[in-house]
Amino acid sequence: DAKTTQPNSMESNEEEPVHLPCNHSTISGTDYIHWYRQLPSQGPEYVIHGLTSNVNNRMASLAIAEDRKSSTLILHRATLRDAAVYYCILSRAWQGAQKLVFGQGTRLTINP
Amino acid sequence: EAGVAQSPRYKIIEKRQSVAFWCNPISGHATLYWYQQILGQGPKLLIQFQNNGVVDDSQLPKDRFSAERLKGVDSTLKIQPAKLEDSAVYLCASSLQGSNTEAFFGQGTRLTVV
Repeated sequence: DAKTTQPNSMESNEEEPVHLPCNHSTISGTDYIHWYRQLPSQGPEYVIHGLTSNVNNRMASLAIAEDRKSSTLILHRATLRDAAVYYCILSRAWQGAQKLVFGQGTRLTINP
Repeated sequence: EAGVAQSPRYKIIEKRQSVAFWCNPISGHATLYWYQQILGQGPKLLIQFQNNGVVDDSQLPKDRFSAERLKGVDSTLKIQPAKLEDSAVYLCASSLQGSNTEAFFGQGTRLTVV
């Protein structure tokens, strides 16, 4: 399974942008980069995903390096509700399905 | 749209007892996942179904864990006999077929083995 590397924890202030980095140097050409987050006492929830181009949605933006060996999840204006563990995952096709293997993730703390 | 349903939400059992968890995925989702999440760790994939066939069960401790997905819809995960180290949250997720799709997770079942 392709590995990702993320910082164990990060801290930011409310209403400021947050940049969460992820390294995935062994990414293959067909791997999608997915981000999920897990709020306390809940199951993970999808945030965003992309292949090569940068992606934006209502929750966040995903910036993907040109060589695809790293990516950054951007929360444009953090709120207290964004405090969660964020997981960067390489989604690999496997027998017609996608395999989602989670790492340790980054625990994001938001200060009021 | 209804989400992924799991039951029970909580379960406490003694070691060596058996336990079963149930998952009802989102309608039309071909892929179903079971994860084990030990406190403080990321979710660990136990088994993955595509319709009613297993595509990956390499991390499933097959001497005590079993799972099935009848008719490609609902799924059950069973532990028999349970050990103390099985205490964890068991998460079920589902997604459409393909590698470019969003997975939806249930709330999980918190198992405590005493």
